[in-house]
Amino acid sequence: AQKITQTQPGMFVQEKEAVTLDCTYDTSDPSYGLFWYKQPSSGEMIFLIYQGSYDQQNATEGRYSLNFQKARKSANLVISASQLGDSAMYFCAMREGYSTLTFGKGTMLLVSP
Amino acid sequence: NAGVTQTPKFRVLKTGQSMTLLCAQDMNHEYMYWYRQDPGMGLRLIHYSVGEGTTAKGEVPDGYNVSRLKKQNFLLGLESAAPSQTSVYFCASRVAGDAYEQYFGPGTRLTVT
Repeated sequence: AQKITQTQPGMFVQEKEAVTLDCTYDTSDPSYGLFWYKQPSSGEMIFLIYQGSYDQQNATEGRYSLNFQKARKSANLVISASQLGDSAMYFCAMREGYSTLTFGKGTMLLVSP
Repeated sequence: NAGVTQTPKFRVLKTGQSMTLLCAQDMNHEYMYWYRQDPGMGLRLIHYSVGEGTTAKGEVPDGYNVSRLKKQNFLLGLESAAPSQTSVYFCASRVAGDAYEQYFGPGTRLTVT
C-alpha cells in the first residue's frame, strides 16, 4: 500500500486564487512528520512547510499553510493568492522513525494569468 | 555556503560501465541521502547515512553502493550500469532531529545506453 497518496496528477488555478493540493498518508507510527516540497521546471527541490504529528496547530509559512486532519490522515497544502511562479510540481512526503522520507508521486500545478 | 553540491551534473554511460556520483555538503549535517527520480514515480530512497562511516539501505538499493568516509561527502556508486538506472539522482542532507527538512542538491541526470 502506498504510504503517501497524492490523487491529483494535475491542477489548474488562476492567478490570485487559492488552491488546495491533496495528500493522504498511511502510518501506524504515532510520531511522524509531513513535509511539502516544490519542484519547478528547473529541477531543484525546495522545502515549503512541515507539520509534526504532535503539533496542535496547522503549520503556516507565508502564503503556504498545511491543513492537517489527523483523524482523516490528510495533510493538504493550501496556497493562497497563487502567483505565476507557483507553477511547479509539488510533492508531499512523510517521515516515519527518525530519519527517512517517503515521497508521494506529486501534483503538477499550473497557474494561469 | 554552497549548500549541497553534486558532481557531475550530467553523464551518459554505456551498459556495464561503472561510475561514482559525489555529493558534498558544507552545512555540517549528520544525515545524508541518495534518491532517484523517475517520471511519475516521485523520489525513491536508494541509500542513506546517519553519520560518518554508517550507511543503510533505502527502498531501491539494488545495483548501487554507497560510502560515507567523511561527514561532508556521500558517494553513490554504480558498479555495472543498466538502462533501468537511467534517472535523475538527487542527494540531500539534514541535521539530526525530527522537525528538520532535507536540503537537496541540484541533481545529476544519468543516461545509460
